[in-house]
Amino acid sequence: EVQLVESGGGLVQPGGSLRLSCAGSGFAFSRSWMTWVRQSPGKGLEWVATVKEDGSEKYYVDSVKGRFTISRDNDKNSLNLQMNSLRAEDTAVYHCARNSGAYVIWGQGTMVTISS
Amino acid sequence: EVVVTQSPATLSVSPGERATLSCRASQSVSNKLAWYQQKPGQAPRIIIYDASTRATGIPASFSGSGSGTEFTLTISSLQSEDFAVYYCQQYNNWPRTFGQGTKVEIK
Repeated sequence: EVQLVESGGGLVQPGGSLRLSCAGSGFAFSRSWMTWVRQSPGKGLEWVATVKEDGSEKYYVDSVKGRFTISRDNDKNSLNLQMNSLRAEDTAVYHCARNSGAYVIWGQGTMVTISS
Repeated sequence: EVVVTQSPATLSVSPGERATLSCRASQSVSNKLAWYQQKPGQAPRIIIYDASTRATGIPASFSGSGSGTEFTLTISSLQSEDFAVYYCQQYNNWPRTFGQGTKVEIK
């Protein structure tokens, strides 16, 4: 079964850090571009970051540049998002997705709440 | 940044009727446009990619058209399971951008 499962979400104070992970299975993870997309409560979808198959190219939305780092471990079929200097506006469900141009497979997401 | 604008924000349709959703990009994105369906509490699901190609398992009642800056998603005969929020997204330019969504509700 093709599957993406996120983990690592939780409640963090403003200025804190969190590391999200996404485990992929049932497809050629090492040959797939991978992406993080977030959705604030009651809001629409926002692309966050994308990484190339081998990790050599990374792209970020401006609002997270310098604070978030996307990475991957192809040996473990794992995608990560290190989030530092977190702000209230980072509160959202974070989904990982497999790219094939468009986002063809999505995980259910992990909730990140930034609050004091 | 390519701004993607969807219309209308809400579409009220009776079961069995046709629904037509629009998506406009602020500059050409060629055919690099996808449509996603999202139901409450669920992850988005891809419906259409490359503007007009149905994703695996998507019924023929869904069709996409357009290129450049104007795109349309048509649902020819709405079934109960089709009532949801639909997002379009361009993947021709960085940053990738989504429209704000169209909610298709039961009339």
